[in-house]
Amino acid sequence: EPEVTQTPSHQVTQMGQEVILRCVPISNHLYFYWYRQILGQKVEFLVSFYNNEISEKSEIFDDQFSVERPDGSNFTLKIRSTKLEDSAMYFCASSEWDEQYFGPGTRLTVT
Amino acid sequence: AQSVTQPDIHITVSEGASLELRCNYSYGATPYLFWYVQSPGQGLQLLLKYFSGDTLVQGIKGFEAEFKRSQSSFNLRKPSVHWSDAAEYFCAVAPMYGNKLVFGAGTILRVKS
Repeated sequence: EPEVTQTPSHQVTQMGQEVILRCVPISNHLYFYWYRQILGQKVEFLVSFYNNEISEKSEIFDDQFSVERPDGSNFTLKIRSTKLEDSAMYFCASSEWDEQYFGPGTRLTVT
Repeated sequence: AQSVTQPDIHITVSEGASLELRCNYSYGATPYLFWYVQSPGQGLQLLLKYFSGDTLVQGIKGFEAEFKRSQSSFNLRKPSVHWSDAAEYFCAVAPMYGNKLVFGAGTILRVKS
């Protein structure tokens, strides 16, 4: 069964550093998403991407964040200058139509 | 704005007992409704979804959910819980396909033997 994959599974970085989280969505899917889950809190939407552009973003998704689909398979989330409060599990998801399939997540730890 | 309420943070049931996890949503129209499960250290797995039609939907792992428009609820049920069902369960809504999911806070299910 096709699945969404994410790399790395765990990323440790120092405050102020740039990080890139990578996702490979399911190949025939058209919609792509990033969510995050701070430890002990609910899953929060960050951004959605369709037709090579951002279709919606949350207030969390400020200028420090960007997304890109650099080729036909990868979907990346970049945080330019990480803060301590960016520590969270980041989930990528993709959908063809109505059902979003989630990847296993990348745990980002900012020290 | 859409919101999802899962009033129970933790629920403990005995193995073999029935289970009901509550979910209420706030939205002007009938949204798309989902239940996801997250095991420790894992991603989110879709259990079931409701878009329209029959208000009782069947999902994977023996779960079902009933949509009640009058109560704005979408409660998840299972007639007999197994120890492997211990996990966190999230209810989520979206206004239509391609839109963001809005999640509830989750309910942690513990199963005692």
